[in-house]
Amino acid sequence: ETGVTQSPTHLIKTRGQQVTLRCSSQSGHNTVSWYQQALGQGPQFIFQYYREEENGRGNFPPRFSGLQFPNYSSELNVNALELDDSALYLCASSSSLVYGYTFGSGTRLTIV
Amino acid sequence: AQSVSQHNHHVILSEAASLELGCNYSYGGTVNLFWYVQYPGQHLQLLLKYFSGDPLVKGIKGFEAEFIKSKFSFNLRKPSVQWSDTAEYFCAVNANSNNNDMRFGAGTRLTVKP
Repeated sequence: ETGVTQSPTHLIKTRGQQVTLRCSSQSGHNTVSWYQQALGQGPQFIFQYYREEENGRGNFPPRFSGLQFPNYSSELNVNALELDDSALYLCASSSSLVYGYTFGSGTRLTIV
Repeated sequence: AQSVSQHNHHVILSEAASLELGCNYSYGGTVNLFWYVQYPGQHLQLLLKYFSGDPLVKGIKGFEAEFIKSKFSFNLRKPSVQWSDTAEYFCAVNANSNNNDMRFGAGTRLTVKP
């Protein structure tokens, strides 16, 4: 079985720009969650998608948005980038919380 | 809102020493509890989880954790650590009433000296 793959692995953007991060979920997983992990901190929940619908959201502003596609892959979009958005963005997929999440390796986003 | 506290930011042990990493959560209802590990350069991996039943949970690589409901704790233990256990360890909590929100602690970095 394939794991969770994220692209790109690294990205540098300037303040005010927009970015799209992509995630291919593990085969058979219909739920995708996105997390932001700042340096030295634990992952912070951004939102979750279940069968193409947003299924919960953490304490992130509306400029963080997402999509899930029929094949359960997902995108995270961030508009009007700020310096504090610099972080590792993690995607995790699951079929049921009983089995835990499968995480990707993340996208390292740097805002300059 | 639920939150997770990990008491130790960085723990340094010698090989064969015993390990206990603390995790406390703040949520009064039913919770599901997890420990994840992140080895250097790798993605987060599930170590063990607790949903119900026996509060002493055994995971991979000799790790175990004990859920103590009265203390809102889920501490991770290993009797004898190895150099290969050097990693970052994260405790995570999901409130049973909210299946879509898993909150992580800030993590504990474990360094095992050979």
